[in-house]
Amino acid sequence: QKEVEQNSGPLSVPEGAIASLNCTYSDRGSQSFFWYRQYSGKSPELIMFIYSNGDKEDGRFTAQLNKASQYVSLLIRDSQPSDSATYLCAVGAGYSSASKIIFGSGTRLSIRP
Amino acid sequence: DTEVTQTPKHLVMGMTNKKSLKCEQHMGHRAMYWYKQKAKKPPELMFVYSYEKLSINESVPSRFSPECPNSSLLNLHLHALQPEDSALYLCASSRSTGSTGELFFGEGSRLTVL
Repeated sequence: QKEVEQNSGPLSVPEGAIASLNCTYSDRGSQSFFWYRQYSGKSPELIMFIYSNGDKEDGRFTAQLNKASQYVSLLIRDSQPSDSATYLCAVGAGYSSASKIIFGSGTRLSIRP
Repeated sequence: DTEVTQTPKHLVMGMTNKKSLKCEQHMGHRAMYWYKQKAKKPPELMFVYSYEKLSINESVPSRFSPECPNSSLLNLHLHALQPEDSALYLCASSRSTGSTGELFFGEGSRLTVL
């Protein structure tokens, strides 16, 4: 069974600090990696995607991918209370038009003022 | 506001009822998905349609029947459901080639089976 694993949390981070969220995956053939944010009672929202090893930055968010270690992470700089949500790591099998996207169980992040 | 619209937002049905969930997107996406999400759990993939053809069925019980009438619409027909089928049902879409996984979700349909 292909798996995506995350620490369920809750992860508590003070406002203004860096939040670091981690994810590991079991399928070495995985090609695409995503972070979704889900507020309580709402649907998931894509915030970052990364396809190549290394870092990708978008505003306060940085996604990091290490395919050799099968590890992907999300850094949130200058954390705000509005960042409090569940963050879902998702992994895709390839670039086909409709491949399987597998979600991790999510990490609940809480930013304390 | 999401560009994937799901109706109804809430649905309560008995185990003998037949109902349908509807999903619509106007982003020109050619892949559409149904996910099921229980409380405090991640979304679980149910079905994937690619270019209006069913391409993935994750061994979902036959009491769930998907339908893709055209490239913008996706339905999920429900019949003889069980209380354990109560969940949030999420529709999502994505562009086709080369953009797998960049899913755009609707707000979901919260289903309660009595």
